[in-house]
Amino acid sequence: AQSVTQLDSQVPVFEEAPVELRCNYSSSVSVYLFWYVQYPNQGLQLLLKYLSGSTLVKGINGFEAEFNKSQTSFHLRKPSVHISDTAEYFCAVSESVGNEKLTFGTGTRLTIIP
Amino acid sequence: NAGVTQTPKFQVLKTGQSMTLQCAQDMNHNSMYWYRQDPGMGLRLIYYSASEGTTDKGEVPNGYNVSRLNKREFSLRLESAAPSQTSVYFCASSEIGLPTYGYTFGSGTRLTVV
Repeated sequence: AQSVTQLDSQVPVFEEAPVELRCNYSSSVSVYLFWYVQYPNQGLQLLLKYLSGSTLVKGINGFEAEFNKSQTSFHLRKPSVHISDTAEYFCAVSESVGNEKLTFGTGTRLTIIP
Repeated sequence: NAGVTQTPKFQVLKTGQSMTLQCAQDMNHNSMYWYRQDPGMGLRLIYYSASEGTTDKGEVPNGYNVSRLNKREFSLRLESAAPSQTSVYFCASSEIGLPTYGYTFGSGTRLTVV
C-alpha cells in the first residue's frame, strides 16, 4: 500500500519570499502524484499532478513541483509567495495501475507573513 | 455550476443520534468517495464507490454506512453518533481515468457530536 509523508505541519514565509513544501511517498509500484490546496472553509482544489514524462510539472497560481524517483519525493515550490497563498496544502498519491484511490498526506499549513 | 454538492454544511448531533450526509455530483462521474478530515491527520478515506451499485470500505469505516443511490448520489450514514466522529466530512467524485482528471471535492460538512 502507498503512503505519503509531509514532515512540515506548518510553514511560515514572508511575502514575496520563495517556499518549498516537502512531500515524500512510499509505494511498491509506480505512482501518480498530486498536490491539492485547501483555502479556509473550502473544499480541496487540484493544484498540479505528475503522471509521467517530464519530472518538473507546473500548476496553477505559479506553483511547480519536481518528481524525484530516487528520493521518492514530490516537493512543491513557488519562487515568490503572496498573501493569497495562505492555505493548507496536501500531497497525495495513487498507484498507477488498478487502484485509483488517493492517499493523502497530513497537510502543510502555509502562512504568509506580510 | 457543475460540481459536487454536500448537505448539510453544518450539523450538531447529540451522542447516539443518527443522521445522513448527502452528496450529489452532476459531472456524470463513475466513482465517489467519502473522506473525513481531522487536524494533523489529513484526509482519511471512509468508504468509496467505484461505480453505481458497488461500495467498499476505506481506511476508517467503523461507525459508518453508505448508500450509492444512483450514479449521482452517494450518502454517508452515522447510525449512532459518537464524539470521535466530530470532524469535517468531504465527498469527492472522479471519472475512470483518475490521473487525467483528479478528484472533484464538495465544500464539506462540519459535524460536531456532543
